[in-house]
Amino acid sequence: GDSVTQMEGPVTLSEEAFLTINCTYTATGYPSLFWYVQYPGEGLQLLLKATKADDKGSNKGFEATYRKETTSFHLEKGSVQVSDSAVYFCALSDPGNAGKSTFGDGTTLTVKP
Amino acid sequence: SAVISQKPSRDICQRGTSLTIQCQVDSQVTMMFWYRQQPGQSLTLIATANQGSEATYESGFVIDKFPISRPNLTFSTLTVSNMSPEDSSIYLCSVGAGTFGTDTQYFGPGTRLTVL
Repeated sequence: GDSVTQMEGPVTLSEEAFLTINCTYTATGYPSLFWYVQYPGEGLQLLLKATKADDKGSNKGFEATYRKETTSFHLEKGSVQVSDSAVYFCALSDPGNAGKSTFGDGTTLTVKP
Repeated sequence: SAVISQKPSRDICQRGTSLTIQCQVDSQVTMMFWYRQQPGQSLTLIATANQGSEATYESGFVIDKFPISRPNLTFSTLTVSNMSPEDSSIYLCSVGAGTFGTDTQYFGPGTRLTVL
């Protein structure tokens, strides 16, 4: 079945540091890949997505590239801010599995000033 | 995108009772999903709710414990029945964008349930 494996957290960084959160997946079909973010006390919201191999999703300075050869979708940001502190979820939506979404365990990021 | 509201936002309930959670969407959608997010954990899909048909439950979840209604294309309810402390979680509804709702998911703010 489908699965998403995320780098374990929590991750603590200083402001302006470089961020990488690793994500790898297995899927039966050709999935779309997503990063969702959950700020404290809020629901999940889409951060970025990529729908096919070599696509790059980007938003708010975050980027992730769909790598089919390594089945990965790592999240990166060049310079994090305190306001980026949140839980980040990698997910996939697989047309071969009735389009259901599968989520990783989430990675908690704390950015200190 | 879709705007989703849930009620209640939080509740504290006694063991053995039931709670019904409402989910309202600001547009008509085909597929609605109910998730559970236990403390410090990821999201687990409970069921998919389609209007006009019975909900489809994931492995480990049954209709007697989590009955779902989907009376129209903008509304759904999830009931958590005969609650125990193990049911303490955040319950999230979501809707899917794209063809057949299989693309980006939009989430409600969640219902934080505590069972004593």
